[in-house]
Amino acid sequence: GAVVSQHPSWVICKSGTSVKIECRSLDFQATTMFWYRQFPKQSLMLMATSNEGSKATYEQGVEKDKFLINHASLTLSTLTVTSAHPEDSSFYICSASADAGRTSYEQYFGPGTRLTVT
Amino acid sequence: SQQGEEDPQALSIQEGENATMNCSYKTSINNLQWYRQNSGRGLVHLILIRSNEREKHSGRLRVTLDTSKKSSSLLITASRAADTASYFCATGGTYKYIFGTGTRLKVLA
Repeated sequence: GAVVSQHPSWVICKSGTSVKIECRSLDFQATTMFWYRQFPKQSLMLMATSNEGSKATYEQGVEKDKFLINHASLTLSTLTVTSAHPEDSSFYICSASADAGRTSYEQYFGPGTRLTVT
Repeated sequence: SQQGEEDPQALSIQEGENATMNCSYKTSINNLQWYRQNSGRGLVHLILIRSNEREKHSGRLRVTLDTSKKSSSLLITASRAADTASYFCATGGTYKYIFGTGTRLKVLA
């Protein structure tokens, strides 16, 4: 099956710094990638959808200037949490789909990145 | 809320019993997927059922889909302690997936 990796798997950073999380599709071309965040004991909340070569579409309530998403290639998307604060501490998960912006096919999930902001 | 609803929120059963979880959603879908998540870990894909399918099996898992009622169920038969985890449904609409609130399953040995 398709494999999606994330790096790093966990990161601790100081308040006010920026953190970049990478999401890679290892054996397929991901036309669309999705970014989710998950707080403890809660479900996954979709943050944004990104299509290769175009701007990301952010869900309501998600600050696009704080969570910068770049989908520069068909195998890599990055999420940068800028000027991180303790309330940004969360589990961030990406997923990738080979389908061009539609969900007719499966999305494949990365293992997640746990961000802790001190 | 963008989320689907799952019930029960928590379920505790004895090993060997069957566990049933339900998922309801609000909009039309292309497919619905079920995932398992162990505490603090990533998601494990369990099964995908397409909107034109009514039932699907995979090992001890049985998933049903009723698009007229906008609901799905996940049945785990002969549960094991290792099945203890949170289970989420994710509905695939036109352009994105929406996750349900999840069911926390605890299987007692």
